[in-house]
Amino acid sequence: AQSVAQPEDQVNVAEGNPLTVKCTYSVSGNPYLFWYVQYPNRGLQFLLKYITGDNLVKGSYGFEAEFNKSQTSFHLKKPSALVSDSALYFCAVRDMLQDYGGSQGNLIFGKGTKLSVKP
Amino acid sequence: EAGVTQFPSHSVIEKGQTVTLRCDPISGHDNLYWYRRVMGKEIKFLLHFVKESKQDESGMPNNRFLAERTGGTYSTLKVQPAELEDSGVYFCASSPRGGTYEQYFGPGTRLTVT
Repeated sequence: AQSVAQPEDQVNVAEGNPLTVKCTYSVSGNPYLFWYVQYPNRGLQFLLKYITGDNLVKGSYGFEAEFNKSQTSFHLKKPSALVSDSALYFCAVRDMLQDYGGSQGNLIFGKGTKLSVKP
Repeated sequence: EAGVTQFPSHSVIEKGQTVTLRCDPISGHDNLYWYRRVMGKEIKFLLHFVKESKQDESGMPNNRFLAERTGGTYSTLKVQPAELEDSGVYFCASSPRGGTYEQYFGPGTRLTVT
């Protein structure tokens, strides 16, 4: 079965330190991977994606993620955390069993990881 | 460009009542998706419209849920009658045909069934 796992319910880091939010996936074929962020009382906001190409992808707000095919992982990283990065982070993979072609297709999400950055 | 909007932002209803959620996608987006997040769990796919047609409704939990997308514009999701387990946050997302794979989400509707 296709799935996404975010093994940490919460990640705590000090401002200025590097942060990592972990994500592993299980999907048929080549994965299309995404990270979304949800700030309090807001909707999900797209951060970055991996479709093909360079394994290191850069996204919004200084975030980046590394696709590792052998470890089936797509961890989210940032070199220096800000207090304003505190939010709920979701990893997602496109459902490859419902592939209509093109860019359509629903997403399979992880449970989310709460990131708390302290001053 | 206006984002995806959802109405209402919150709804509290009693078990057995009916609730209708509305989603207005980004103008011109053919694809419209509904998702739901039950407290502390994964965001789960419910269904996918392409314009006014249901492309995939495999995630709809049961026949108490009815989704429509009139004229390929806004969409409604009706729950009738509501049960306690229907409580959660309902997200709508849209994306353009031939786009770049990411979906654009609305702020969600928090539904509480008491």
